[in-house]
Amino acid sequence: GENVEQHPSTLSVQEGDSAVIKCTYSDSASNYFPWYKQELGKRPQLIIDIRSNVGEKKDQRIAVTLNKTAKHFSLHITETQPEDSAVYFCAATGGAGSYQLTFGKGTKLSVIP
Amino acid sequence: EPEVTQTPSHQVTQMGQEVILRCVPISNHLYFYWYRQILGQKVEFLVSFYNNEISEKSEIFDDQFSVERPDGSNFTLKIRSTKLEDSAMYFCASNLGNEQFFGPGTRLTVL
Repeated sequence: GENVEQHPSTLSVQEGDSAVIKCTYSDSASNYFPWYKQELGKRPQLIIDIRSNVGEKKDQRIAVTLNKTAKHFSLHITETQPEDSAVYFCAATGGAGSYQLTFGKGTKLSVIP
Repeated sequence: EPEVTQTPSHQVTQMGQEVILRCVPISNHLYFYWYRQILGQKVEFLVSFYNNEISEKSEIFDDQFSVERPDGSNFTLKIRSTKLEDSAMYFCASNLGNEQFFGPGTRLTVL
């Protein structure tokens, strides 16, 4: 089955700096890669996603890049704000017609004002 | 905007008791899921459901677990005989295409 590795597990940045979170996946058939933000005690919320036929996608301060050959994808947050502080999970799905999400272990991002 | 809803928000039970967690997926969605998240850990897939049957399940989803769509709106997860290690947040999700929408979760505490 799919295995998703995520790094780093914790990340502290100064407000206004950029944050980068990286994930690798094992199943080359996976074709959909969402990123979820989870605030303490809340549900995971989709913040951006990318499909395997696209190399990069941007939405305001958030961007995701995908390298299919290397089987890794990354989340980039620019101009970080204190409200960006949360746990971020990457996930992968779509291998062999599957819709189940396989999540990484999460990155706790702290943005220091 | 439509949302996935779950009840109860918190369930406390004694070890060995049966629990039923309830979810109302978004009305036009076709695929339904249960995930769990042990405190401080990642979200783990349990089961997916499509066209009134299980389409995928993980090794966590053993004989103690079952799912049902008893009517046109509810989707339930039953744990027959709860164990201490079943204590976790259980999330229901649904989708039509790739994007999965998560409910607010039920925190299950097994004593």
